[in-house]
Amino acid sequence: DTGVSQNPRHKITKRGQNVTFRCDPISEHNRLYWYRQTLGQGPEFLTYFQNEAQLEKSRLLSDRFSAERPKGSFSTLEIQRTEQGDSAMYLCAISFLAGGSGGELFFGEGSRLTVL
Amino acid sequence: QQPVQSPQAVILREGEDAVINCSSSKALYSVHWYRQKHGEAPVFLMILLKGGEQKGHDKISASFNEKKQQSSLYLTASQLSYSGTYFCGTEEDSSYKLIFGSGTRLLVRP
Repeated sequence: DTGVSQNPRHKITKRGQNVTFRCDPISEHNRLYWYRQTLGQGPEFLTYFQNEAQLEKSRLLSDRFSAERPKGSFSTLEIQRTEQGDSAMYLCAISFLAGGSGGELFFGEGSRLTVL
Repeated sequence: QQPVQSPQAVILREGEDAVINCSSSKALYSVHWYRQKHGEAPVFLMILLKGGEQKGHDKISASFNEKKQQSSLYLTASQLSYSGTYFCGTEEDSSYKLIFGSGTRLLVRP
């Protein structure tokens, strides 16, 4: 148990549809991250939050991607007008340290998206 | 800037040693190492902060050369359970953001 629950675990959608993924951290934490991972590659940074504030968003993230974290608890990642290139594993991670280095990341099991 | 990992893949016999390298062109604040098994989430191994320290637990250790912006992960007397893909993650200037390399696939055979 990594302390991070992600839903749905698998999502198959048709190109052009919108999808939303949810991340529920089980334990208290400081920062929440979203990464994307494609086959044979390392996790790719998308965005991160400290409490409710979205502090950084990757330039690789197009306007079709949006993330929210209302009330500093769970987070959602929405992809609008999905494209086949969006097919990937979407990973949510949390960290605990308040200062200095970001601290170790605890990843959830991920949400796998397949766009047909 | 994505760090560069080498080698891309390693095949070992149980009990053999391996070294995985990670290098960056940017000044680094910290280097993280993670292991990911097939179908699972990445799992944290260790973190090294700038200062050139070396860390380790059990038979896995790592070093960080701050001047060269390089880190190495050392796996000694490898076990079957060490199989998986190893990622280094680099953090620039206490940015709280980790950028991961493309990984090194390690297979340990009996």
